[in-house]
Amino acid sequence: DARVTQTPRHKVTEMGQEVTMRCQPILGHNTVFWYRQTMMQGLELLAYFRNRAPLDDSGMPKDRFSAEMPDATLATLKIQPSEPRDSAVYFCASGLGHDGNTEAFFGQGTRLTVV
Amino acid sequence: AQTVTQSQPEMSVQEAETVTLSCTYDTSESDYYLFWYKQPPSRQMILVIRQEAYKQQNATENRFSVNFQKAAKSFSLKISDSQLGDAAMYFCAYRSAWDGAQKLVFGQGTRLTINP
Repeated sequence: DARVTQTPRHKVTEMGQEVTMRCQPILGHNTVFWYRQTMMQGLELLAYFRNRAPLDDSGMPKDRFSAEMPDATLATLKIQPSEPRDSAVYFCASGLGHDGNTEAFFGQGTRLTVV
Repeated sequence: AQTVTQSQPEMSVQEAETVTLSCTYDTSESDYYLFWYKQPPSRQMILVIRQEAYKQQNATENRFSVNFQKAAKSFSLKISDSQLGDAAMYFCAYRSAWDGAQKLVFGQGTRLTINP
């Protein structure tokens, strides 16, 4: 059963600490997305990659957030230093680019709490 | 930029009844896709139904159907014979057909409660 896997499921950290969230996209998918979900802002796109290259990270605070794809099976989202306002659920999703009729599959998210 | 609006923060329905969730969107594009996603308490985002803008026929998936009004930029979801398992947050989403990367723009969501 192919699925997007995110780790950790939950993370509690102190303000100022580095946080790394990981995502394993579905094998064969060439597009990876990072979304953030908060009560106030809803679901927002932070960044996405095609064939491991960043295509758009305009939704991401550049001073503290960074997203990478070290290889085709791993995407990471880092926050350094973390702040309480970063508390949210972070979703990774993957899909097949250049095929408008395919859907994006979501992981179960990482719930981040910064205290 | 495209926007998606869900005007109903919360809805409730009796089990076995029918409920309709509203969604409107704003775009200058003529070709795009619209989606309804379900998010149960487990947080998993589950695709419920998809509509291609170039298709006039409304999409249907078992008990779920949409009313797509392209001129009015409206995309409502109808759930028939509501079941307790339908209780969840429902998100309407837009994706440009010209954006091969499948970037989704989401509405704020509607929380659906099913009363037994």
